[in-house]
Amino acid sequence: AQSVTQLDSQVPVFEEAPVELRCNYSSSVSVYLFWYVQYPNQGLQLLLKYLSGSTLVKGINGFEAEFNKSQTSFHLRKPSVHISDTAEYFCAVSTFSGGYNKLIFGAGTRLAVHP
Amino acid sequence: DGGITQSPKYLFRKEGQNVTLSCEQNLNHDAMYWYRQDPGQGLRLIYYSQIVNDFQKGDIAEGYSVSREKKESFPLTVTSAQKNPTAFYLCASSRTGGGQPQHFGDGTRLSIL
Repeated sequence: AQSVTQLDSQVPVFEEAPVELRCNYSSSVSVYLFWYVQYPNQGLQLLLKYLSGSTLVKGINGFEAEFNKSQTSFHLRKPSVHISDTAEYFCAVSTFSGGYNKLIFGAGTRLAVHP
Repeated sequence: DGGITQSPKYLFRKEGQNVTLSCEQNLNHDAMYWYRQDPGQGLRLIYYSQIVNDFQKGDIAEGYSVSREKKESFPLTVTSAQKNPTAFYLCASSRTGGGQPQHFGDGTRLSIL
């Protein structure tokens, strides 16, 4: 069965510092991977996705993630964060079987950016 | 603009009462999903549907029911059998096929009176 582990439940960081949010997955088949962001009392917004090809994926708001098959990781990075990046971030892996496309989510990482 | 509309934003349920959460999409997506979100637990899948008049149970379907009479609509009923319904409920839709991202509504927060 596929699963997703987000290694940090909370990450505090100062404004303009770099940040990395860690995500590991388990899967016995080819994977599609996603990062979503959730602001308070809102739905999830897609940040970026990895389907195939280049292992470095660029997304919105200056975020990027690197797919590492040997380490089964898909860590999210940003070189310089802003106060407005404070939110919860979810890593997800896509499963596709029996014609159904489902997402398995990690528990989330709360990013808190301090001035 | 295309998107997913969930209503109401806040909902209160009395003991023994069924309540229905609305989800409408104009993205022309075939697949629709309902998730429950509790603090620190991420999102858990309640029900999903790929075509009209067909839906499948997710990981936590007990105490919930759905219908899919129209492509655009996928309402969720929280029944009185759901003993702990207080949560944030999110509806999503996607195209079918592997690797398709899901698009989310802004959620409904359900509380018990």
